[in-house]
Amino acid sequence: GAGVSQSPRYKVAKRGQDVALRCDPISGHVSLFWYQQALGQGPEFLTYFQNEAQLDKSGLPSDRFFAERPEGSVSTLKIQRTQQEDSAVYLCASSPYIGSGGPYEQYFGPGTRLTVT
Amino acid sequence: QKEVEQDPGPLSVPEGAIVSLNCTYSNSAFQYFMWYRQYSRKGPELLMYTYSSGNKEDGRFTAQVDKSSKYISLFIRDSQPSDSATYLCAMKREYGNKLVFGAGTILRVKS
Repeated sequence: GAGVSQSPRYKVAKRGQDVALRCDPISGHVSLFWYQQALGQGPEFLTYFQNEAQLDKSGLPSDRFFAERPEGSVSTLKIQRTQQEDSAVYLCASSPYIGSGGPYEQYFGPGTRLTVT
Repeated sequence: QKEVEQDPGPLSVPEGAIVSLNCTYSNSAFQYFMWYRQYSRKGPELLMYTYSSGNKEDGRFTAQVDKSSKYISLFIRDSQPSDSATYLCAMKREYGNKLVFGAGTILRVKS
């Protein structure tokens, strides 16, 4: 079946521009995560949705980062006034599990590679 | 200091070798320990997970957790060129949604 898809796969933005990154989770998955993966590093948690509710946004690095999932399926990560340090791969993951106990297997998309020039 | 430390490598081995990948961590609250594989330009995929201490085997892969030492390992037997990828360890608390990843180890298996 279809996995997690993300678009665009590559995005080049000039410093100061706003960008929007889209995530289509696996159908029926209630949980959705965004991660930021800098070059040579592991993914770092940004935010978590259960259906349309954003339950944890503790990893968002600044108020320039905003995420939404208005209908509990597709999610968008928006970055305003991009800076060079925002250059990274942004990964989306979804999971059929809710609640917080258990291994909470997450299925990752291929990511969007953002380059800020 | 990061909560999860992982040697970035690269680790280069001949085909058929046994590979040992490791992570250390500092947060004793972690209870779930995962290993993800990430191919170039792809997202991570879950290989296996272990709850608390102990061993788990799945085909050519064995995961070990030693909570007393805060040390986890992934062993790959009879390594193949198709195993060449970045291997990420990840951990989470008993009750919590957030995965904490290591930096990943680059593995190259030469044919």
